[in-house]
Amino acid sequence: GENVEQHPSTLSVQEGDSAVIKCTYSDSASNYFPWYKQELGKRPQLIIDIRSNVGEKKDQRIAVTLNKTAKHFSLHITETQPEDSAVYFCAASKGLTGGGNKLTFGTGTQLKVEL
Amino acid sequence: DTGVSQDPRHKITKRGQNVTFRCDPISEHNRLYWYRQTLGQGPEFLTYFQNEAQLEKSRLLSDRFSAERPKGSFSTLEIQRTEQGDSAMYLCASSSTSGRGYEQFFGPGTRLTVL
Repeated sequence: GENVEQHPSTLSVQEGDSAVIKCTYSDSASNYFPWYKQELGKRPQLIIDIRSNVGEKKDQRIAVTLNKTAKHFSLHITETQPEDSAVYFCAASKGLTGGGNKLTFGTGTQLKVEL
Repeated sequence: DTGVSQDPRHKITKRGQNVTFRCDPISEHNRLYWYRQTLGQGPEFLTYFQNEAQLEKSRLLSDRFSAERPKGSFSTLEIQRTEQGDSAMYLCASSSTSGRGYEQFFGPGTRLTVL
């Protein structure tokens, strides 16, 4: 089955700096890659996602890049703010082409944005 | 609130007891997923339904676990003869196969503690 690895496990940045979180996946059939943000005691919330037919997607301060050949994808947060502090999870699935879109998650990155 | 809801939010039980959790998905969503999340880890897929049909179960789901979605709306997850290793956050998510069809919306979770 799919295996998703995520690095780093913790990341501390100064406010205004950029943060990058990287994930690799093992199943070349995976075609949907969402990123979730989970604040302490709250539900995971989707912040951005990318499909395998796209190499990059951007939404304001957040961007995701996908390298299908290398089977890795990354989350980039620019101009970080204290409210960006949370745990971020990457995930992979086969979307609607198979597997019912069950998500395989990485182990998470605790991002801390310091003032 | 029109999001995914779960009940109860917290459950403390003694080893060997049975517990049942409920999930109410977003009303127009035909897919419903159950995940389990332990401290410091990403959610792990347990099972999913499309309408009332349970289409896939993870190997993580032992015989003590059973899930139902009798009318294709709410779902229940039952754990029989609970063990301390069952202590975790149980998350429910829902999605729709129409439109974008990819995004899964998560509920707040049920935190289970087995003493």
